[in-house]
Amino acid sequence: KAGVTQTPRYLIKTRGQQVTLSCSPISGHRSVSWYQQTPGQGLQFLFEYFSETQRNKGNFPGRFSGRQFSNSRSEMNVSTLELGDSALYLCASSLVGLEADGYTFGSGTRLTVV
Amino acid sequence: AQSVTQLGSHVSVSEGALVLLRCNYSSSVPPYLFWYVQYPNQGLQLLLKYTSAATLVKGINGFEAEFKKSETSFHLTKPSAHMSDAAEYFCAVSDVGFQKLVFGTGTRLLVSP
Repeated sequence: KAGVTQTPRYLIKTRGQQVTLSCSPISGHRSVSWYQQTPGQGLQFLFEYFSETQRNKGNFPGRFSGRQFSNSRSEMNVSTLELGDSALYLCASSLVGLEADGYTFGSGTRLTVV
Repeated sequence: AQSVTQLGSHVSVSEGALVLLRCNYSSSVPPYLFWYVQYPNQGLQLLLKYTSAATLVKGINGFEAEFKKSETSFHLTKPSAHMSDAAEYFCAVSDVGFQKLVFGTGTRLLVSP
C-alpha cells in the first residue's frame, strides 16, 4: 500500500515568487493536514482538509492557502514568498481525522527561498 | 492550550544502553499523546500513541512509553539502544477537539559505539 506522496521533494524559489506543493494521501484517506517545520519555530500546523473542505486552520498569514480535490489529493500554495518561508513542509493523511486513526506523514517538501 | 515540553535537546547514549527521552504535557482535557521519530531528510514516523486505553504503550522498534497522569508525563524508553535509533524524536499532544497535533521541540538521540 503506497504511503503519503509529496512532490516535489526539493524546491528553490526566489523571494516574491509563489509556489505550489502537492500531497497525495494514502488511498482511501479523506483527511489531509499540512505542517511547517523550521529550526526556529519547530513543527506548526497550517491547515486540514476533509472532503474538499478546509476543516481547521492554523495561525499563518493569508499568503498560505490550500485546497483538496475530489480524489483527496491536496495542494498548498504560498504566495509572495519570504525568506522565512524556507522550511520543510509535511503533509499527513488519515482516514477521517486525528482522533479516529492518527496521521501518516509524507517525506516532506523542502522549500528554500533565496 | 495544550503544550508539550521535551527536556533535553540532545541525548547521548552508548549502544546497548537504556534510552530515556522525556516528555511532559499540559492539557485541559484527557489527551491523546504521540511519539514520532524523524530521520534526516525524512518525514515523521509514528512510534506509538496513547489514546486513554492502557497506560503502558508499546510501539515499534522496541520502544515503549508510560502515561503518568499524576506527573503529566509520557516518557519514551527503550531497554537497549541500537545505532539505527540515532534520529530526532518528537512528542506531541492532540489539541482540544483533535484538530491538530501540538509538537514538542524535539530531542536528538545520538548513539555511540
